[in-house]
Amino acid sequence: DAKTTQPPSMDCAEGRAANLPCNHSTISGNEYVYWYRQIHSQGPQYIIHGLKNNETNEMASLIITEDRKSSTLILPHATLRDTAVYYCIVRSRGGGADGLTFGKGTHLIIQP
Amino acid sequence: IAGITQAPTSQILAAGRRMTLRCTQDMRHNAMYWYRQDLGLGLRLIHYSNTAGTTGKGEVPDGYSVSRANTDDFPLTLASAVPSQTSVYFCASSDSYRQGVYNEQFFGPGTRLTVL
Repeated sequence: DAKTTQPPSMDCAEGRAANLPCNHSTISGNEYVYWYRQIHSQGPQYIIHGLKNNETNEMASLIITEDRKSSTLILPHATLRDTAVYYCIVRSRGGGADGLTFGKGTHLIIQP
Repeated sequence: IAGITQAPTSQILAAGRRMTLRCTQDMRHNAMYWYRQDLGLGLRLIHYSNTAGTTGKGEVPDGYSVSRANTDDFPLTLASAVPSQTSVYFCASSDSYRQGVYNEQFFGPGTRLTVL
């Protein structure tokens, strides 16, 4: 699986868009970008994933650069409940039931 | 039950004791996983199961065993607990057969285990 690089922490004002970057310069053609988050003391929660096109769901948007070497998770109107650690994971879609590799992620703090 | 449940929520255990952490899902997912999370580290995979009757070792399997007698349950056993197994344990599941993906995993609330 390709390695990812994320900033250790970020702040964002409540109501503003939170933009979380992820670098994955060694991503291969069949690997997807997945985002999870973990709110304090809870289990991780799947947010979104994408291959090369931008994706949007009820939680967030995912913007992947044309060369696929980086991506940005966007929370359009951040709330205090979005304070969490956000993990960017790169993996082939049919990668086998051998689990996910979680790095240290980005600790996003939403300020009131 | 809705989703994944884990029991107990927390446990303090004497070293050398045997302990089984329970995990049950009601989503009929074929794949299940056990992770541990330690302070300052990301989640690390202990064991996984692709389908009932099969299991596999993850990144940190030593000291742990699992079984998958049916689709819904995936217990994790510590045969003789040691202090280094103090951690938060998360169970997860995914529906790979229907969607063809293993990576959209649903996680339980976790079990906080302290081994003294």
